[in-house]
Amino acid sequence: EAQVTQNPRYLITVTGKKLTVTCSQNMNHEYMSWYRQDPGLGLRQIYYSMNVEVTDKGDVPEGYKVSRKEKRNFPLILESPSPNQTSLYFCASSTQGYEAFFGQGTRLTVV
Amino acid sequence: AQSVAQPEDQVNVAEGNPLTVKCTYSVSGNPYLFWYVQYPNRGLQFLLKYITGDNLVKGSYGFEAEFNKSQTSFHLKKPSALVSDSALYFCAVRAPYNQGGKLIFGQGTELSVKP
Repeated sequence: EAQVTQNPRYLITVTGKKLTVTCSQNMNHEYMSWYRQDPGLGLRQIYYSMNVEVTDKGDVPEGYKVSRKEKRNFPLILESPSPNQTSLYFCASSTQGYEAFFGQGTRLTVV
Repeated sequence: AQSVAQPEDQVNVAEGNPLTVKCTYSVSGNPYLFWYVQYPNRGLQFLLKYITGDNLVKGSYGFEAEFNKSQTSFHLKKPSALVSDSALYFCAVRAPYNQGGKLIFGQGTELSVKP
């Protein structure tokens, strides 16, 4: 089954404690990205990657890092989480110009 | 700059009635337009897209959307709403690939279908 898998689904952490949210896709897509969803703001792109070892900032990259060492994986790293990073996060993958497939989401709470 | 607007935060419809969820866009060049649906505690599911061709696009679950270039709109429609259609709906436009190819989303419209 074609899918994008994110882990964990739910995470509560404390300010400053480094965390990683994993994302993996099995569709051989070149393009992967991370979005955060906040009420009233829709989804905003954090980072994207057009292929292995190629990443770039989206609209709200501050406080986040990503890496793309393999085509299927695109982890999101929060080196020092802060409460304003409490949000619902989605990983997505696609081929150029086509619809994106989204993961189930990770609900992150930073206290 | 590309943008998407969904003018209604909420749409209420009675089951069996037709529904419309509105979307307008602003892009340079030809738009790649999408509709997604989000059920509670779930990810976004793709409903339909317009890339080129017929202005009326048919998608999943009986939904369709009409692309109107002169009005820069891409409204989502369904002839007969179901209670199970109640969800959060997002319209999106894809930025050109040479500009990052990101999906630009509207704020979302909460659809509520009452029996």
